[in-house]
Amino acid sequence: DGGITQSPKYLFRKEGQNVTLSCEQNLNHDAMYWYRQDPGQGLRLIYYSQIVNDFQKGDIAEGYSVSREKKESFPLTVTSAQKNPTAFYLCASTSLHGGPQPQHFGDGTRLSIL
Amino acid sequence: AQSVTQLGSHVSVSEGALVLLRCNYSSSVPPYLFWYVQYPNQGLQLLLKYTSAATLVKGINGFEAEFKKSETSFHLTKPSAHMSDAAEYFCAVSLIQGAQKLVFGQGTRLTINP
Repeated sequence: DGGITQSPKYLFRKEGQNVTLSCEQNLNHDAMYWYRQDPGQGLRLIYYSQIVNDFQKGDIAEGYSVSREKKESFPLTVTSAQKNPTAFYLCASTSLHGGPQPQHFGDGTRLSIL
Repeated sequence: AQSVTQLGSHVSVSEGALVLLRCNYSSSVPPYLFWYVQYPNQGLQLLLKYTSAATLVKGINGFEAEFKKSETSFHLTKPSAHMSDAAEYFCAVSLIQGAQKLVFGQGTRLTINP
């Protein structure tokens, strides 16, 4: 079945450490997105990418970095510069063709501080 | 700039009662509108979408929503609540063109009382 796979499901970060969250999709979607979810704040866009080797900052990009070397993959690195990384991180993807398309979501990665 | 307001962070209804979750949007251009549902520790699942084809949109699990341009609203309803409807619901708006970024409301947690 096609879908989006996020790993790991749970992740713990130590002080000063960078951690990378994986997101892979086999839907042949053009665009991919990373969101951060905090209780009572909905979802906020971190980064997005419409095409391989190109990505743009979202609303809360500080302390995060991404890459898009393959169409299927859009990993997110939470750097030590992100002082409050504890949150639920969601990856999504969508096609940019054929009219308005909904975003499809993975099952998320929950990041906590040790 | 686009924005979404969901009135009521928590809604509680009895099993079998009408479900009404409110969503108002702000957009300078005709929007695409979506409702998503999220179960605990999972990603978001699309319930329904409005893309200007019809003002009354039917979705999965018996939910529907009506687009009212004059009221800038896109409220979600279900005639008879079921225990399995307990979840968090998000309304989102997207521009027609571009990267199809979504702007989410804060979410409404729906509780079903037996």
